[in-house]
Amino acid sequence: ETGVTQTPRHLVMGMTNKKSLKCEQHLGHNAMYWYKQSAKKPLELMFVYNFKEQTENNSVPSRFSPECPNSSHLFLHLHTLQPEDSALYLCASSPTIGFRGNQPQHFGDGTRLSIL
Amino acid sequence: GENVEQHPSTLSVQEGDSAVIKCTYSDSASNYFPWYKQELGKGPQLIIDIRSNVGEKKDQRIAVTLNKTAKHFSLHITETQPEDSAVYFCAASQGTNAGKSTFGDGTTLTVKP
Repeated sequence: ETGVTQTPRHLVMGMTNKKSLKCEQHLGHNAMYWYKQSAKKPLELMFVYNFKEQTENNSVPSRFSPECPNSSHLFLHLHTLQPEDSALYLCASSPTIGFRGNQPQHFGDGTRLSIL
Repeated sequence: GENVEQHPSTLSVQEGDSAVIKCTYSDSASNYFPWYKQELGKGPQLIIDIRSNVGEKKDQRIAVTLNKTAKHFSLHITETQPEDSAVYFCAASQGTNAGKSTFGDGTTLTVKP
């Protein structure tokens, strides 16, 4: 148990579907992240949130829409995805970002997404 | 921005042998270097980390060394066991943006019994 729970673990969707990935952390952290993991780019940062505010959008296409309603929950809303979006999507959390010093990230086990 | 290169991409060793994975980074402002292990079907998990004011850190069979001048750091696993088989990622980050790390491309370690 890592303290970071992702649901669903597997998702198959068509290109016209709309679905959401959910991440919940029970570690009392304030920073949360979405990563894409594929054979081409093993760990590609997508979004960063710190105290519910987005601090990083790594040039992610608008068909991916993140939402962070509070420091414990993070969503990734998906719509009109492309086959190349098939990958493992990982959520991570850390105590915070910046002036408190360096801290490791705690990862969930990911959602395996397949686009038909 | 920071760039992290990791070598080798695959490594196969016999059980009981040592394994070494090396990473180089480009930004001299980076001061925190974690290592993660990712087993099949799981997310990456922190196994050891080192900060720039330390040259070496050990935790049982695992050790990490850091050479700030050369901007490289290495993971050493001694007395390898089959359960050490996994993908290992190095990362580098800075104190001003500590949670956001730049990751290497990973090393797939296979320990043969």
